[in-house]
Amino acid sequence: DVVLTQTPPTLSATIGQSVSISCRSSQSLLHSNGNTYLNWLLQRPGQPPQLLIYLVSRLESGVPNRFSGSGSGTDFTLKISGVEAEDLGVYYCVQSTHAPTWTFGGGTKLELK
Amino acid sequence: EVQLVESGGGLVQPGRSLKLSCVASGFTFSNYGMNWIRQAPGKGLEWVAYISSGSSYIYYAETVKGRFTISRDNAKNTLYLQMTSLRSEDTALYYCARLGFDYWGQGVMVTVSS
Repeated sequence: DVVLTQTPPTLSATIGQSVSISCRSSQSLLHSNGNTYLNWLLQRPGQPPQLLIYLVSRLESGVPNRFSGSGSGTDFTLKISGVEAEDLGVYYCVQSTHAPTWTFGGGTKLELK
Repeated sequence: EVQLVESGGGLVQPGRSLKLSCVASGFTFSNYGMNWIRQAPGKGLEWVAYISSGSSYIYYAETVKGRFTISRDNAKNTLYLQMTSLRSEDTALYYCARLGFDYWGQGVMVTVSS
């Protein structure tokens, strides 16, 4: 089974600071069709997760462009360029390449320093 | 506006059954595969089950295989999760989510305890 390892587990930031979260997969997430099905989600306190980025780097509609995703194969990164208060919560990566088993990373909690 | 509304949760004794529902609106439900995902208290997300748009393809996580059954009624825009032989480790907030994880419900709590 695919395992997604997120680092760091907790991230402390000040407003305006840029931060990055890593998601490393135990297997390549490159699908035979050429796509890489790696998404990023944000779960704010008391809320369901929301989709931020899909297919590694494509911004979901309505998501601010301070969020960006990059990576390939087994290593992926979510970057927030200038953290805002509304960005606090837990970030998850999730893979669909190896469906029909979907795997979530363990999460990275972003908190205020 | 896309909406997913779960219901049917509650407190149940170990070994008993419970059926969750998820009513969809704001999109053509019959065109989309759907998932159930759960989150134990204070923990991360765990995929539970998937059903394709026409119910032809159904998959389960190993942790629930043989105990949970996912189904859907496209005429009623409703997704279901029948849970049997419940265990304490099934205690979680259960979310329905569209394939691609672009839309999620608010979740429904299931507590398995004697």
